[in-house]
Amino acid sequence: GESVGLHLPTLSVQEGDNSIINCAYSNSASDYFIWYKQESGKGPQFIIDIRSNMDKRQGQRVTVLLNKTVKHLSLQIAATQPGDSAVYFCAETDDKIIFGKGTRLHILP
Amino acid sequence: KAGVTQTPRYLIKTRGQQVTLSCSPISGHRSVSWYQQTPGQGLQFLFEYFSETQRNKGNFPGRFSGRQFSNSRSEMNVSTLELGDSALYLCASSLTGTGTLQETQYFGPGTRLLVL
Repeated sequence: GESVGLHLPTLSVQEGDNSIINCAYSNSASDYFIWYKQESGKGPQFIIDIRSNMDKRQGQRVTVLLNKTVKHLSLQIAATQPGDSAVYFCAETDDKIIFGKGTRLHILP
Repeated sequence: KAGVTQTPRYLIKTRGQQVTLSCSPISGHRSVSWYQQTPGQGLQFLFEYFSETQRNKGNFPGRFSGRQFSNSRSEMNVSTLELGDSALYLCASSLTGTGTLQETQYFGPGTRLLVL
């Protein structure tokens, strides 16, 4: 498969544990944030989004937390499974969309 | 409903050549955005089209251009290819785009371009 980033930070998590992936964003005017998952050989896949008037949003097994004070976004994945192995990107939008470099999530058996 | 499709999936070109990549959005989606993905720079926004008009543009040179047809299908063109243009080119579609990109985008699998 294709490698989306040769020098990405990697988070290794035991199968069944919770994963927390962090992202610092740059533009204090950004008001919409998205997390994407990209598996090898595929395009990014939408996971969850959050608007700036919220600080937490939950989906199925995923939670996004937004701290506007320190411009920090996190993605929590509950009960991590082998299928969660991928590169995870955050994105911020104002009038343009800016993606983070990504974090590779590696699941340990 | 079929997802976003991109053709070709892989392409090899030489410096100085030009290339055209194609993207078919999800049926009913009217906004198409293009991105370049490289190991060094990550995902970078190229441009967005809506109703056959370029509505947003990233910071890429004029060698990168695009267009959208009345059926919302889009093409991007890169002229005078450089080695640094080697990348995965991703297309994403959304329903309306809203002009501020605050809408879920659905990505295609990408076109892997290698410039020799």
